[in-house]
Amino acid sequence: GEDVEQSLFLSVREGDSSVINCTYTDSSSTYLYWYKQEPGAGLQLLTYIFSNMDMKQDQRLTVLLNKKDKHLSLRIADTQTGDSAIYFCAEINGGTSYGKLTFGQGTILTVHP
Amino acid sequence: DAGVIQSPRHEVTEMGQEVTLRCKPISGHDYLFWYRQTMMRGLELLIYFNNNVPIDDSGMPEDRFSAKMPNASFSTLKIQPSEPRDSAVYFCASSGTRDTGELFFGEGSRLTVL
Repeated sequence: GEDVEQSLFLSVREGDSSVINCTYTDSSSTYLYWYKQEPGAGLQLLTYIFSNMDMKQDQRLTVLLNKKDKHLSLRIADTQTGDSAIYFCAEINGGTSYGKLTFGQGTILTVHP
Repeated sequence: DAGVIQSPRHEVTEMGQEVTLRCKPISGHDYLFWYRQTMMRGLELLIYFNNNVPIDDSGMPEDRFSAKMPNASFSTLKIQPSEPRDSAVYFCASSGTRDTGELFFGEGSRLTVL
């Protein structure tokens, strides 16, 4: 079945860039997502990328997709303390399991002042 | 729209008791999902519905868990009898048919079974 893996922890200083990495196994993934979970809250969609794209930029966020290596990354420029949260990578195979996302285990980002 | 609404936000109960968690999805959304989050297992999909019909319940741990969606604006997740290992945060999420994976999550119900 599908599998999505992420490193568990990332610690950066305020103002630096953060890069969160994700690998997935389903070569038929149609969309890949980054969700953010703040303490005591549900997940919130940050951004997503179609599988036929290499890169997507949205303000401070840059998503890079290497489809050959099945590797997805999220770069946060000028990281702020408010960016401290858990970040989940997720994928969907629109052809066979519409609506059903597979999530990674989440990366805990800690931003130090 | 108020977003996905879950209740209760917190529930503490004793082993063996019945627990009912409730969810009101965003109006107009056709998909409803129940997830469970724990430190050990991360985020697990329990069940999801499309147009009130259960599509995939393969993530439901065992017969003690059941979920219903009697209409488009309400769903319940029931655990009977509850056990300490059911302690977790349970999330409900909804999604519209034209969306391709943007789930809108509720704030979760934190369940503690003593």
